[in-house]
Amino acid sequence: AQSVTQLGSHVSVSEGALVLLRCNYSSSVPPYLFWYVQYPNQGLQLLLKYTTGATLVKGINGFEAEFKKSETSFHLTKPSAHMSDAAEYFCAVSDQGSGNTGKLIFGQGTTLQVKP
Amino acid sequence: DAGVIQSPRHEVTEMGQEVTLRCKPISGHDYLFWYRQTMMRGLELLIYFNNNVPIDDSGMPEDRFSAKMPNASFSTLKIQPSEPRDSAVYFCASSRRAGHNEQFFGPGTRLTVL
Repeated sequence: AQSVTQLGSHVSVSEGALVLLRCNYSSSVPPYLFWYVQYPNQGLQLLLKYTTGATLVKGINGFEAEFKKSETSFHLTKPSAHMSDAAEYFCAVSDQGSGNTGKLIFGQGTTLQVKP
Repeated sequence: DAGVIQSPRHEVTEMGQEVTLRCKPISGHDYLFWYRQTMMRGLELLIYFNNNVPIDDSGMPEDRFSAKMPNASFSTLKIQPSEPRDSAVYFCASSRRAGHNEQFFGPGTRLTVL
């Protein structure tokens, strides 16, 4: 069965510093991978996704993620944090292990704090 | 497209009352999901539908919760009777199977049970 692990429930960075949010997945088939962002008092919105092709995926607001099959990872990065990046971030994998159930399997979420 | 629409956005009710949350998915989407989010338990999948049919309701906490999808453009999540521990933000999301299961979330309903 598919699973997702996000390392670190809280990450704190200074404004202008590198953002690195870690995500490892388990999948018995080539995965479809997603990062969602949730700003305070809002729903989840898609930040970026990997389906096939180029392993470095660019998303909105300057974020990108790299699919590394050998490491079963899909870490999210941004070179320079902005105060507006403070939010909760969720990694997810499409549940396709034994037939496509149609679901996404979400990680526990990582809260990003950006300090001035 | 208007996106996933949920109503009401906020609901305050007293313990024991019936609560109905509503969702309109994006037109053409095959799947509809109901999630609950709390500080303690995070994001939980309650139930989901495929082509209006419930597929998996194993996340529904107890018999007080029920969900229906009478047609492709409308779903309800009902809690009867409500309890304070049901206080949470409830999200509806929809997706197309052909879209790699990418889900589109509504803005959520913040439920407070007093």
